[in-house]
Amino acid sequence: AQSVAQPEDQVNVAEGNPLTVKCTYSVSGNPYLFWYVQYPNRGLQFLLKYITGDNLVKGSYGFEAEFNKSQTSFHLKKPSALVSDSALYFCALRGAGSYQLTFGKGTKLSVIP
Amino acid sequence: GAGVSQSPSNKVTEKGKDVELRCDPISGHTALYWYRQSLGQGLEFLIYFQGNSAPDKSGLPSDRFSAERTGGSVSTLTIQRTQQEDSAVYLCASSFDKDRAYEQYFGPGTRLTVT
Repeated sequence: AQSVAQPEDQVNVAEGNPLTVKCTYSVSGNPYLFWYVQYPNRGLQFLLKYITGDNLVKGSYGFEAEFNKSQTSFHLKKPSALVSDSALYFCALRGAGSYQLTFGKGTKLSVIP
Repeated sequence: GAGVSQSPSNKVTEKGKDVELRCDPISGHTALYWYRQSLGQGLEFLIYFQGNSAPDKSGLPSDRFSAERTGGSVSTLTIQRTQQEDSAVYLCASSFDKDRAYEQYFGPGTRLTVT
């Protein structure tokens, strides 16, 4: 069975500081990994994905994520947080040969002015 | 359309009533997915449609839940005899096909409240 863990329910960071939202996963075989963001009363928006290739992937709104196979992690990062980044972030996993996404429980990011 | 649309955006119903939730996928997308987002539970896969193939219903929590997709486009998720634990946001997503399932585009969701 595949699973995704987001160990932090909430992350608070000051505006302008770097942010990290953590994600670890468990799957047989090679993973496809994703980050989605959900703003209040809005649907999920795709941020970035790791399929293969470079371990550092860049996505929308200045976000990036680093795939670490040995640590089975896919942490989301941004060098300088904006207040507008405050939202709910979901890490998701798709196992090879599967099509459904398995999501983490989400991490609420609050960027403090 | 420009994106995945869902209706209604909010639905309040009494326990025991049936509800229907609708999803309009992105035009040309052959794969359609339903997920449920419950407070503190993250997103839970419910059902998957791909073209004219039989749907994958493995995520449906009980036989009170069913879904259909007419003409390979619009989908309806039906919950019969609703219970309070069915209260959640129901999200629909579509992708171009199953091989591009990583590019799932989500609708805004339907917030269901069972009183």
